[in-house]
Amino acid sequence: GNSVTQMEGPVTLSEEAFLTINCTYTATGYPSLFWYVQYPGEGLQLLLKATKADDKGSNKGFEATYRKETTSFHLEKGSVQVSDSAVYFCALRIASNTGKLIFGQGTTLQVKP
Amino acid sequence: GAVVSQHPSRVICKSGTSVKIECRSLDFQATTMFWYRQFPKQSLMLMATSNEGSKATYEQGVEKDKFLINHASLTLSTLTVTSAHPEDSSFYICSAQDSYNPPEAFFGQGTRLTVV
Repeated sequence: GNSVTQMEGPVTLSEEAFLTINCTYTATGYPSLFWYVQYPGEGLQLLLKATKADDKGSNKGFEATYRKETTSFHLEKGSVQVSDSAVYFCALRIASNTGKLIFGQGTTLQVKP
Repeated sequence: GAVVSQHPSRVICKSGTSVKIECRSLDFQATTMFWYRQFPKQSLMLMATSNEGSKATYEQGVEKDKFLINHASLTLSTLTVTSAHPEDSSFYICSAQDSYNPPEAFFGQGTRLTVV
């Protein structure tokens, strides 16, 4: 079946450290891939996306590359800030005509000053 | 960007009562909305797909008589948790799908339900 697996958290970093959150997926067909962020007490916000292999999504200093050969979509940021502390969800969309998503379990990021 | 409003953000109810959660798309029309449930430290699990003017499509294992979904207009879907029990306590999140191709899904802020 279709699924998304993320690295377990929490991930604790110091400010300005390099961030990687791993995400791998299993899917039939050619899914689109997403990263969402959930700040405390809030809903999900789309962070970035990629719709086909080798695409790179980027936003607010975060980026992720759609790697079909390794079925991965790892999230990276070169220098994290305290304000980046949140829960990050990797997700995939199987069908291009729907907003239905399959989520990974989420990874909590804590950035300390 | 598109805004989805979910209400209430928090609710506490007694066992056996029913609770209604609203999901509204404020600046776009959404023929399709999705309801997710999030357990503590776990992922979002899709419960059902809500289609305007027709019956909702429930995921396997979700009790349709327990979680009633109504999508009476292009901007409003409601989830009613009937005869709530403590195990229904969870975080419920809706998303609304816009009409672009491919469509984008925008999320509400979620509702924390506690059944006591």
